[in-house]
Amino acid sequence: KAGVTQTPRYLIKTRGQQVTLSCSPISGHRSVSWYQQTPGQGLQFLFEYFSETQRNKGNFPGRFSGRQFSNSRSEMNVSTLELGDSALYLCASRPIAGAYNEQFFGPGTRLTVL
Amino acid sequence: GNSVTQMEGPVTLSEEAFLTINCTYTATGYPSLFWYVQYPGEGLQLLLKATKADDKGSNKGFEATYRKETTSFHLEKGSVQVSDSAVYFCALSEASGNTPLVFGKGTRLSVIA
Repeated sequence: KAGVTQTPRYLIKTRGQQVTLSCSPISGHRSVSWYQQTPGQGLQFLFEYFSETQRNKGNFPGRFSGRQFSNSRSEMNVSTLELGDSALYLCASRPIAGAYNEQFFGPGTRLTVL
Repeated sequence: GNSVTQMEGPVTLSEEAFLTINCTYTATGYPSLFWYVQYPGEGLQLLLKATKADDKGSNKGFEATYRKETTSFHLEKGSVQVSDSAVYFCALSEASGNTPLVFGKGTRLSVIA
């Protein structure tokens, strides 16, 4: 079974631009979560989608948004990029929401904002 | 709110040494506890988990026991290998599963031959 895939793997943008990251979950998984990983703040939760609906949202500004499609693929968008948005963005999927369901992580998208 | 505190390292050990990475948590109720590992250039992989008090999670020689009385979930391995060099994250999730994973800051482990 193919794992979680994220595209692109690396991205370089400049301040003020916007960016869209994509995540394809494991086949059959309906829940997709996004996390931001930085050296200073560690791993921080952005949002979770289940069956095209946002279930949870972390404490990030409105410039960060996401969506999920009917095939469970998810995208996240960051508008008006700031230098501090440079990070590794990780996507994770699981079959349904629930503590006993292991979250499977993708390799991440490394975003650099210049 | 929920939180996880783990020793930040870095930790440097010689091959075959004993490993302990401390993890304590703050949470209401009875959360599920996890250890994830991140190898260079990769995403996170679940290493082991425990879902109730006194449960012991184990995988690839690593073990951790859910201690409710001390709110701890320390990771141990009796004999580390160079291939264990990675960053290790302790995490929790509320038992309901309706809240996201809360991670510790991560502990970088380097094992030298």
